[in-house]
Amino acid sequence: GAVVSQHPSRVICKSGTSVKIECRSLDFQATTMFWYRQFPKKSLMLMATSNEGSKATYEQGVEKDKFLINHASLTLSTLTVTSAHPEDSSFYICSARGHWGRTDTQYFGPGTRLTVL
Amino acid sequence: AQTVTQSQPEMSVQEAETVTLSCTYDTSESDYYLFWYKQPPSRQMILVIRQEAYKQQNATENRFSVNFQKAAKSFSLKISDSQLGDAAMYFCAFDTGTASKLTFGTGTRLQVTL
Repeated sequence: GAVVSQHPSRVICKSGTSVKIECRSLDFQATTMFWYRQFPKKSLMLMATSNEGSKATYEQGVEKDKFLINHASLTLSTLTVTSAHPEDSSFYICSARGHWGRTDTQYFGPGTRLTVL
Repeated sequence: AQTVTQSQPEMSVQEAETVTLSCTYDTSESDYYLFWYKQPPSRQMILVIRQEAYKQQNATENRFSVNFQKAAKSFSLKISDSQLGDAAMYFCAFDTGTASKLTFGTGTRLQVTL
């Protein structure tokens, strides 16, 4: 149980184009999903928290107009990187929060490697 | 603000031996959750073990166990009978539940040697 998928796993795009990444919780409903960015050999950096049916909450320093997040259902959240530039190249990871007993636990997708040329 | 500190950037253990990864945290909250996640070369984050702060008993999951010292704000991970597949980056993480945001440590890279 607690499987989170992410699509695509890898994407290469040209500078100036937009890229959409999907995150799905496959076997549980996730009222909250999270989007992270991870630089090589570094820890995860939270970009935004996404709640179903409401606007995402962005962390300080994250451009909400550049990183558009939509959480349309209890099992799907999308991250769209708009007008991508080479500095947006990174590893993006989503997670979905499930509730077991008193414990809320985040389960992670396999990540998406974005390369902007 | 909560902080999580992993003071060991790298650790090495021989196959079949035991290794302990350290983690300390700082918080003013009394109710919270602690996690260890593993990130192998595939970069998939995998939950290893979780601990609720209100529970005094240390969590165990097969070869993985924790030593949770609430007063000392310490949460170490013990891996017994280490296997080659245990080689990965291990992240300690903290969640207050109400804030529902994981705070990660900087990670410990574990090497497993023959």
